[in-house]
Amino acid sequence: ETGVTQTPRHLVMGMTNKKSLKCEQHLGHNAMYWYKQSAKKPLELMFVYSLEERVENNSVPSRFSPECPNSSHLFLHLHTLQPEDSALYLCASSQGRQGARYTFGSGTRLTVV
Amino acid sequence: AQKVTQAQTEISVVEKEDVTLDCVYETRDTTYYLFWYKQPPSGELVFLIRRNSFDEQNEISGRYSWNFQKSTSSFNFTITASQVVDSAVYFCALSEPRGTGNQFYFGTGTSLTVIP
Repeated sequence: ETGVTQTPRHLVMGMTNKKSLKCEQHLGHNAMYWYKQSAKKPLELMFVYSLEERVENNSVPSRFSPECPNSSHLFLHLHTLQPEDSALYLCASSQGRQGARYTFGSGTRLTVV
Repeated sequence: AQKVTQAQTEISVVEKEDVTLDCVYETRDTTYYLFWYKQPPSGELVFLIRRNSFDEQNEISGRYSWNFQKSTSSFNFTITASQVVDSAVYFCALSEPRGTGNQFYFGTGTSLTVIP
C-alpha cells in the first residue's frame, strides 16, 4: 500500500464522545501534518511532527490531542468537541527538507452533533 | 496579510474553454517554492506541480500550463480545452525554508466547475 491513508473517512460524534482519527503513510517520509479544512475558510495547519517530535502547534484547543508513535503513523484524539469543529481533517506527510512536496490523505469528514 | 492570494473564489466555464487560475504570493525569501494542488470532490489534495524561485521557465504538461513571473509575484495556472473531470478546487501554495524543513502557506482555493 502506498500514499497516505486516513481512517475513518466519515465520523459523526456527539459533543461528549471521545474518538480518534488515524493517518498512516508508507512513503518513508519523516514529517507528518494535521490540517483542518472548514467550508469557506483556508486550510488551517494544526500540528506538525518531524521525526516523531511535535514541532508546531498552531494554538489548537486542547480538545484536539495529536500523537505520533512512529514515523508512519499519526493520530488525532478528539474529546468534548464543539459543533464548530465539524470539518474535513486532512493528514499530510513529506520529507523533512526544504521544498519537499506534501502528500495528502483523503481526509476524515467529521460532524459534531 | 495573506501570503498566497487566490482572488477567484469560483469559476465556471463551458467544456473545451480555456481557463486561467490566478495566484499571487508574498515572500521576502530569495529561495522559495511554489505549488499547485487539485482537490476533487473525494477530498484528497493531489499534487500538480512544484517550481523553485530560481526557475522561471514556464511549464506545460498536457493540457496544463503554468506561468511563473517573479516580477509580479504570480504563479498562474492555465487549463486548455477544459474537461468535466477538471472540476475541482485548486490550491496554490508557497513553501518557505524554515530550518531543515519548510513552512507551507496555502491560498484559499479556486473552485472550478466545468459545464458539459
